[in-house]
Amino acid sequence: DAEITQSPRHKITETGRQVTLACHQTWNHNNMFWYRQDLGHGLRLIHYSYGVHDTNKGEVSDGYSVSRSNTEDLPLTLESAASSQTSVYFCASTSDRGATEAFFGQGTRLTVV
Amino acid sequence: GEDVEQSLFLSVREGDSSVINCTYTDSSSTYLYWYKQEPGAGLQLLTYIFSNMDMKQDQRLTVLLNKKDKHLSLRIADTQTGDSAIYFCAESSEGNEKLTFGTGTRLTIIP
Repeated sequence: DAEITQSPRHKITETGRQVTLACHQTWNHNNMFWYRQDLGHGLRLIHYSYGVHDTNKGEVSDGYSVSRSNTEDLPLTLESAASSQTSVYFCASTSDRGATEAFFGQGTRLTVV
Repeated sequence: GEDVEQSLFLSVREGDSSVINCTYTDSSSTYLYWYKQEPGAGLQLLTYIFSNMDMKQDQRLTVLLNKKDKHLSLRIADTQTGDSAIYFCAESSEGNEKLTFGTGTRLTIIP
């Protein structure tokens, strides 16, 4: 079965370190998204991509970057981790423009100490 | 920018109906969704409605859309303990497929 997987599921890192969270989908979806989930804020969009070599900033993109070198992967990099980036991160994908369902990964819980 | 609002908590007795409300600001919203998140898991699509519809029913779920007031609701009939979760309202627009989510409503079932 097609799926979307995130790794690692849990990570603890120190302030100032570079961290990369992986997202891999086997749906062959063009659209991929990264969200962060925080209490009282719901899910906020960090970055998104509509296809290979396409990346776009979401509403909370500062301190994060993504790259899309193939259809399957959209890694999220925290350039210099800050305590404010402690959160649960979700990757999602959709197939086409106007798609009605987004498929989500299980999430990565990141703690910055 | 787009904004989607929900109340944070709702408690309902088992067997009663649950009604979760959502308001949004983007008048160009084309699709409106309800997602469910169970503990420790990602989000799963429950149901969706196109902006040109007023109502959609799917087994125990009823979605009502008041486009004039930009108000969306999800009614769960005969609420069960397995319905305990966080429910997110979301919207997207034609040609702009990124989803904007509400804050989520945590539904607690009282035995």
